[in-house]
Amino acid sequence: EDQVTQSPEALRLQEGESSSLNCSYTVSGLRGLFWYRQDPGKGPEFLFTLYSAGEEKEKERLKATLTKKESFLHITAPKPEDSATYLCAVRNTDKLIFGTGTRLQVFP
Amino acid sequence: EAGVAQSPRYKIIEKRQSVAFWCNPISGHATLYWYQQILGQGPKLLIQFQNNGVVDDSQLPKDRFSAERLKGVDSTLKIQPAKLEDSAVYLCASSPGPNYGYTFGSGTRLTVV
Repeated sequence: EDQVTQSPEALRLQEGESSSLNCSYTVSGLRGLFWYRQDPGKGPEFLFTLYSAGEEKEKERLKATLTKKESFLHITAPKPEDSATYLCAVRNTDKLIFGTGTRLQVFP
Repeated sequence: EAGVAQSPRYKIIEKRQSVAFWCNPISGHATLYWYQQILGQGPKLLIQFQNNGVVDDSQLPKDRFSAERLKGVDSTLKIQPAKLEDSAVYLCASSPGPNYGYTFGSGTRLTVV
């Protein structure tokens, strides 16, 4: 069964304190691993898609990496505005299967 | 480009009542999805349309949930009768096709009391 597990469930960081979020997955036939950001009361907002092991993508303070079993979302020198829930999802055929997310809080 | 529009934003109903949600996808997006997101969980796919045909509704509780996408554009999701466990955010997303990312709407927050 296709499955996505994210850890930690919640993460509290001081502003400027870098860290990583983990997404481990099992899927038959990966057709992309997606990272989304979700703010309270809003729908998920697309961040990155990774397709093959070794691939990396960056956007401002965020960097996503992919291996055959897991993906990491690295946050460098986070700011309070990075506070949100970060969702990981894998695509098998044409649907996304989501993890439960990591709730990130960054304090000044 | 305009995003995915959903309405209403919030809805409170009593159990056993019926409710309907509306979604207008991004213009030209052939694929439309309805997801259910229970508090503290990730979104779960309910139904996927390709144009006006159903591609996947394996997770849709068909005894109470129904959805349609007339003319391959707007879509409605209906719950009748609602149960307490249906309290969740209902997200609509659209995509140009199988190899593209999704764009989500802001969702409809349903509370069943």
